[in-house]
Amino acid sequence: GAVVSQHPSRVICKSGTSVKIECRSLDFQATTMFWYRQFPKKSLMLMATSNEGSKATYEQGVEKDKFLINHASLTLSTLTVTSAHPEDSSFYICSARGQGASNSPLHFGNGTRLTVT
Amino acid sequence: GQQVMQIPQYQHVQEGEDFTTYCNSSTTLSNIQWYKQRPGGHPVFLIQLVKSGEVKKQKRLTFQFGEAKKNSSLHITATQTTDVGTYFCAGPLAGTASKLTFGTGTRLQVTL
Repeated sequence: GAVVSQHPSRVICKSGTSVKIECRSLDFQATTMFWYRQFPKKSLMLMATSNEGSKATYEQGVEKDKFLINHASLTLSTLTVTSAHPEDSSFYICSARGQGASNSPLHFGNGTRLTVT
Repeated sequence: GQQVMQIPQYQHVQEGEDFTTYCNSSTTLSNIQWYKQRPGGHPVFLIQLVKSGEVKKQKRLTFQFGEAKKNSSLHITATQTTDVGTYFCAGPLAGTASKLTFGTGTRLQVTL
């Protein structure tokens, strides 16, 4: 159980365009989803917390207008990278926690490798 | 700010050798979780430790949570090539219960 699906797995886009990444919880309801960013051979950096039915909360240094998050249902959160630039190229991974304890383990999607040319 | 550091950053062992990664937090953690990320993959949950001094085992993997709840370790006995990947510890971001901050990670390479 606890499967998180992320799409697309890989995307290449041109500078200035926007890219939408979807994160779905397939067999459970996720009231909260977390978006992380990972550079090659580096750790995961928490970008924002996506809350179903309310605004996302962003970590310090993350531009909310640059990384738009929407969590319209209990099974879907989307991250849109707006006006992408080459420095936005990275591995973006979503994770979800079900309706269990707030410290229960995270279930991760397969990640999206974004390359901005 | 809160920092979660892991050492070593990278270790290369021969199959059959043991491996240990150490995790140190600048703040006390209510719990610690360990994840494994295979090359090109996503993090997969391994275990969660909650109690001070707790030790848990999963086959060849032994996890320990320090008495002060600021450090943890993962020890792998007799490594196999399937153990290749990056191991991350993770704990609650300071001031929150649900957000996880990840350690710097230890990349393990195992060769025959």
